[in-house]
Amino acid sequence: DQQVKQNSPSLSVQEGRISILNCDYTNSMFDYFLWYKKYPAEGPTFLISISSIKDKNEDGRFTVFLNKSAKHLSLHIVPSQPGDSAVYFCAASGGSNYKLTFGKGTLLTVNP
Amino acid sequence: KAGVTQTPRYLIKTRGQQVTLSCSPISGHRSVSWYQQTPGQGLQFLFEYFSETQRNKGNFPGRFSGRQFSNSRSEMNVSTLELGDSALYLCASSLEPEPPAQYFGPGTRLLVL
Repeated sequence: DQQVKQNSPSLSVQEGRISILNCDYTNSMFDYFLWYKKYPAEGPTFLISISSIKDKNEDGRFTVFLNKSAKHLSLHIVPSQPGDSAVYFCAASGGSNYKLTFGKGTLLTVNP
Repeated sequence: KAGVTQTPRYLIKTRGQQVTLSCSPISGHRSVSWYQQTPGQGLQFLFEYFSETQRNKGNFPGRFSGRQFSNSRSEMNVSTLELGDSALYLCASSLEPEPPAQYFGPGTRLLVL
């Protein structure tokens, strides 16, 4: 049972345009959500997070939106740069459980 | 501030052997978690330690174990290795109590032959 789902295995966008990565979850106990970026042969790099008490969090070019009623979150990257090309993972945690549950990832390719 | 470090970076073992992986968290971080990444299953939680105590455990067999030392450094051990244990093993640390963002090391790539 996959509790965190990233339904798009890949996404391709042009440099300078917006990249939108989506994530759905099923567990109502999740109250903290994170996005990570991963290059091959490296560990995931933390990008941005959002608590369930908020619906939006911004950090530079990265914005995460949370829709609790739909159990959906998205990561917006504006403007997209070739260096953003990587696999992006959505992760969630709930309550005092510090375990992260990850989605399968979305490969983002930003074309020059 | 130095990031999470993991040793060794690469390891080749044969079936039936055991292996110990090491993780040093970011200075000041007291929570250490371990994850396994495989192409088929993605990133899966193994266990989490805080103040030398295992607080959470994932759905892995008892062959997978870990511990945390008083300086927050952590080790994980896999006994009686199987071919399916070939994976990237990632360690992550986090600062208590909030936020629960976890910062990952580069991982140890284990190949079981």
